[in-house]
Parts: sequence; C-alpha cells; structure tokens
Amino acid sequence: GQNIDQPTEMTATEGAIVQINCTYQTSGFNGLFWYQQHAGEAPTFLSYNVLDGLEEKGRFSSFLSRSKGYSYLLLKELQMKDSASYLCAVRGGLSGGYNKLIFGAGTRLAVHP
Amino acid sequence: DVKVTQSSRYLVKRTGEKVFLECVQDMDHENMFWYRQDPGLGLRLIYFSYDVKMKEKGDIPEGYSVSREKKERFSLILESASTNQTSMYLCASSSGTAGQFFGPGTRLTVL
Repeated sequence: GQNIDQPTEMTATEGAIVQINCTYQTSGFNGLFWYQQHAGEAPTFLSYNVLDGLEEKGRFSSFLSRSKGYSYLLLKELQMKDSASYLCAVRGGLSGGYNKLIFGAGTRLAVHP
Repeated sequence: DVKVTQSSRYLVKRTGEKVFLECVQDMDHENMFWYRQDPGLGLRLIYFSYDVKMKEKGDIPEGYSVSREKKERFSLILESASTNQTSMYLCASSSGTAGQFFGPGTRLTVL
C-alpha cells in the first residue's frame, strides 16, 4: 500500500529550531513536497526535493533520503506566524498517465513565546 | 502569481440536494484537482483532470462527479449530497511536473 507518516502535533518555542519528519512508502517516487497550511486557509508550497540532500530556502530547509524513504522539514528562528500545519506529499507512481500527489495527514506545529 | 479561485468559502446544503463546487485558475494549467480534507485524514484526491474533457478518478470518487468543459474551470458535483460529505473541499492546479497551487477552499456542511 501507500503510506505517508508524520507526527500529528509538535510544539516549539519562538526563536528555536524544529524538525518535522516524514516517512513514506509509495509505489514509485517522483519527488517530495512540503506545504504550509494555516488554519482555515489553503496549503501553500514550501519546498520540493527529488534528489537526495538538503534544499535550503531562507529559514526553511528540506532534506530527502530516497533509500530510507525519509524527509524532514527544518524551520529555524521560529516565529509565531510559523504556527500552522505542515503537509508532506509524495508524487508517486503513474495513474492515468499522471503522477498523483499523496498527502500525509499533516503535522500541526504550535509556536509559543 | 497563480490564482486559483473557488466559488464559495462556506456552503450549507440539505441532504439529497445537488451541489456544484466551481474552481477557476488563471495560469493556463493543464492539470486540475479536487481534494477533500478531513481532520486526521489529510488531503484525499477525489478526481483530477489533465486536459479539457478528460477526467480521472482519484482515491475517493464515490458520490462525486466532475466536469471540465474549459481549460480554466473544473467543477465538482455532488449528485445527492449526504451528511458524510460534510468537509473542506480544496481545488488545485498545476502544470507539468511543478507543484500544485491550491484555492482557498470551500467548507461544505450537509444537514
């Protein structure tokens, strides 16, 4: 089957660093996405990894290990506005000629002062 | 910037009603998607379309149908709404292998 696991909830302190892990088992792999979703709003794209290694984008970095089926999103210098859900999504095997995205249930991050 | 719009932010319907959810994107994307999002379950794909008049079933198509008559518009239809279709519905679009851009969502309540 296809499965994406990430922690349900995490808490962290303003100014700190937090790492959100994601493990996946999918039929085929064609890239991994991280999205941020504030309560009541649409998911917004954060990062994309298709090769092993670290991708850095400002305060946010994302890491991928394809052999381990593992990714993490690293958030540095946390701000209160980073309180949101973080969704891990894998582009898996072909279906009808298209690589579908399979989403994890999301990790709700609460940043405290 | 890509803009994906959905016809309503909030919608309340009665059991048995036919419900139309509209989605429009303005970036000439060939791929469009309908998801529902429920607590603890994440986003689940209902239907997607990779071209005008083309549609593919996602993971949970039962009770839904779709229409894509024009490239920019993708409609989700609940033929006879039921209470278990109360959910947040999200539309998304993409081009090629790029990431998906989401609309603001429609929170549907079926009474």
